[in-house]
Amino acid sequence: QKEVEQDPGPLSVPEGAIVSLNCTYSNSAFQYFMWYRQYSRKGPELLMYTYSSGNKEDGRFTAQVDKSSKYISLFIRDSQPSDSATYLCATVNAGGTSYGKLTFGQGTILTVHP
Amino acid sequence: KAGVTQTPRYLIKTRGQQVTLSCSPISGHRSVSWYQQTPGQGLQFLFEYFSETQRNKGNFPGRFSGRQFSNSRSEMNVSTLELGDSALYLCASTSARGGLGEQYFGPGTRLTVT
Repeated sequence: QKEVEQDPGPLSVPEGAIVSLNCTYSNSAFQYFMWYRQYSRKGPELLMYTYSSGNKEDGRFTAQVDKSSKYISLFIRDSQPSDSATYLCATVNAGGTSYGKLTFGQGTILTVHP
Repeated sequence: KAGVTQTPRYLIKTRGQQVTLSCSPISGHRSVSWYQQTPGQGLQFLFEYFSETQRNKGNFPGRFSGRQFSNSRSEMNVSTLELGDSALYLCASTSARGGLGEQYFGPGTRLTVT
């Protein structure tokens, strides 16, 4: 079983829809959580970075962390065709010798159609 | 501030050859991590360097190695290439001393082994 599980989709929504992307993780030592967006043939772009449980908002994006359930979410409001990309969740084990190691979900392919 | 740069962007090599990839982190970032991305396995951590020292290593064979220079630039080397080494190789840098902060990725080097 993977340490971070993410539904690969694909997910197709109409422009303007609210998108919900989700990941679950198994290791309680994961303390930091990130969401990346990756366009085709590009490197991942950091969207959100959070530590604590709760919500963090940045423009049309809201990241939600529930450490008790080991569940992380990314919500995209008023989705646009330019949001079409692969979305990756990532976590970091803050303890021990986990220097620099992000553990990623498989990524969800999102298409927003006009 | 310039982002993470990687060279070359594309490489085609033959089985048995070796290859060296280069990464220049964001100015001021001293931690550099390397990842391999494939459709089947997703993003997998290779290793992390800080101040010219490898602090963490993923579960890859010894054919994969790296180093970091005093200016924080990093290289990774793959010897005796196999077909399964075909992938997008990404490097990421962070300013966090423990390498646990936000990581910013470069565009990647796409390696094709024939």
